[in-house]
Amino acid sequence: AQSVAQPEDQVNVAEGNPLTVKCTYSVSGNPYLFWYVQYPNRGLQFLLKYITGDNLVKGSYGFEAEFNKSQTSFHLKKPSALVSDSALYFCAVSLFNNAGNMLTFGGGTRLMVKP
Amino acid sequence: NAGVMQNPRHLVRRRGQEARLRCSPMKGHSHVYWYRQLPEEGLKFMVYLQKENIIDESGMPKERFSAEFPKEGPSILRIQQVVRGDSAAYFCASSPFGRENYNEQFFGPGTRLTVL
Repeated sequence: AQSVAQPEDQVNVAEGNPLTVKCTYSVSGNPYLFWYVQYPNRGLQFLLKYITGDNLVKGSYGFEAEFNKSQTSFHLKKPSALVSDSALYFCAVSLFNNAGNMLTFGGGTRLMVKP
Repeated sequence: NAGVMQNPRHLVRRRGQEARLRCSPMKGHSHVYWYRQLPEEGLKFMVYLQKENIIDESGMPKERFSAEFPKEGPSILRIQQVVRGDSAAYFCASSPFGRENYNEQFFGPGTRLTVL
């Protein structure tokens, strides 16, 4: 079985400061890892994914994430936070299998960026 | 290219009624996933469908819930005899491939079901 943990329910950061949203995963086999963002009353928007290759993945809106196999982590980062980054962030993992690319999500982390 | 479309966006039902949620995948996508999001929680996988086939329904309750993706028309998630615990946001996602898919799933805006 695969699982994702987002240990922080909420992350608070001042505008202009770097931000990190943590994610760890558990999966048998090679993971495919994703970050999505959800704004209030909206669906999920894709930010970035790790499939293979370079451990540092760059995505939309200046976000990036680093895959660390030994720590089974895939933390989301941004060098300089914006107030508009305030939203709910979900980490997800999938395992390539016969059933397709089913995603298992973490519980979400609410990012609050204050001016 | 329109994104994933879901309707209705909001649905209110009384206990015991039926709820029908519709999802039209992105053009060219033949794989549909349904997820449920309870308040303040992450999304939980319910069912994965290809055209006319249910591939994986391991996340769907055994009773009252059913899903289909006919050859023509949208995918339907049907909840019979709804109860208050069914109140949630239901999201549909689509992707172009299945087994060979390394791409992200594209999510619709969701249907927020409220059971009175």
